[in-house]
Amino acid sequence: AQSVTQLDSHVSVSEGTPVLLRCNYSSSYSPSLFWYVQHPNKGLQLLLKYTSAATLVKGINGFEAEFKKSETSFHLTKPSAHMSDAAEYFCVVSDPPSGTYKYIFGTGTRLKVLA
Amino acid sequence: DTAVSQTPKYLVTQMGNDKSIKCEQNLGHDTMYWYKQDSKKFLKIMFSYNNKELIINETVPNRFSPKSPDKAHLNLHINSLELGDSAVYFCASSQSAGSSYEQYFGPGTRLTVT
Repeated sequence: AQSVTQLDSHVSVSEGTPVLLRCNYSSSYSPSLFWYVQHPNKGLQLLLKYTSAATLVKGINGFEAEFKKSETSFHLTKPSAHMSDAAEYFCVVSDPPSGTYKYIFGTGTRLKVLA
Repeated sequence: DTAVSQTPKYLVTQMGNDKSIKCEQNLGHDTMYWYKQDSKKFLKIMFSYNNKELIINETVPNRFSPKSPDKAHLNLHINSLELGDSAVYFCASSQSAGSSYEQYFGPGTRLTVT
């Protein structure tokens, strides 16, 4: 069965330092992978997606993620955290186990940015 | 213009009542979804419609009934509300039902059942 594991439920970084949010996936197929961000009391916004093209994917707001098939990972990074990055981040896998396509969400990582 | 909109944003009601949440997308997408986000922020799909046809129906109590009058609208009706139905419900849409299509989410409807 398809699944996604976000390895940290909480991450704290200082403003201006790098961000690393870790995600591992399990899939029998060639998955599509996504990162979404949810700011407090808001809907989800797509940061970036991987769909079997370039393994290094650039997203919005300076975020990027690298697809590593050998490690079944899709970690999200940003070189320098900003206070506005504080939010909940979700890693998502999507693939067709039986002809229907649905998102499987990770449990989320709450990013805290310290001044 | 809001791409995916939901009404109402907040819904407070008593156990046993029936309520509806409405969703509209103006992106011209073929596929729409309902998700439930629980108090621990976990998101799980409930239903999906593609061109008004139900294509995903997860293990959801039959008190929940989605309805898609056209491709741009997907409503969620809930009968006999229970305390456990309290959650944030998100509507989403995507261009099509393929796995590579990103989904666009609405702002959510916070349902509180007392």
